Amino acid sequence: EADIYQTPRYLVIGTGKKITLECSQTMGHDKMYWYQQDPGMELHLIHYSYGVNSTEKGDLSSESTVSRIRTEHFPLTLESARPSHTSQYLCASTLGRMNTEAFFGQGTRLTVV
Amino acid sequence: AQSVTQLDSQVPVFEEAPVELRCNYSSSVSVYLFWYVQYPNQGLQLLLKYLSGSTLVKGINGFEAEFNKSQTSFHLRKPSVHISDTAEYFCAVSGYSSASKIIFGSGTRLSIRP
Repeated sequence: EADIYQTPRYLVIGTGKKITLECSQTMGHDKMYWYQQDPGMELHLIHYSYGVNSTEKGDLSSESTVSRIRTEHFPLTLESARPSHTSQYLCASTLGRMNTEAFFGQGTRLTVV
Repeated sequence: AQSVTQLDSQVPVFEEAPVELRCNYSSSVSVYLFWYVQYPNQGLQLLLKYLSGSTLVKGINGFEAEFNKSQTSFHLRKPSVHISDTAEYFCAVSGYSSASKIIFGSGTRLSIRP
């Protein structure tokens, strides 16, 4: 069983609010990822990290930001939520320096009203 | 850079029938290949992976996939599906480099009819 956790699972928030989606893993993985997924649609990579103090933007432009101060923690922040941010956000980490297997959290379903 | 194409967005099949979900990839370098399954309101779970060696890979829940380098394909198969296999299936690819990212296909929704 993978030890990667996302909180909250579900979040409904008003427009303009600042939110942070939490992702933690206890496996000591160096690489971590954030994907955005609309219902029934593909996964879009929005941020990734190779290790502490390393973050990169993904293939899909996103207004969110991330930080990686500790190996186990990779939070995603939206400074001012908008309805267009409504989506599911999936966090993942990979085993080893090579991507030989990715472990996913349960996801956070965000609704901005 | 790598890319993945899943040719079918939806595949409806009857229970106990065989199924094949198609996946083609593009890459200028050697790759790792994966199939993940996503049940409703859940994250993704690894079904199987090809890293090297035998081109026929067996995974969980009776699924298997075959790596075909000349066709650049990694199709997923199951000889007899169950209602519980209803889910979204994602093919993914990653290069060997430690700088590589995991790239996912657009997904195939497998729906099982009784």
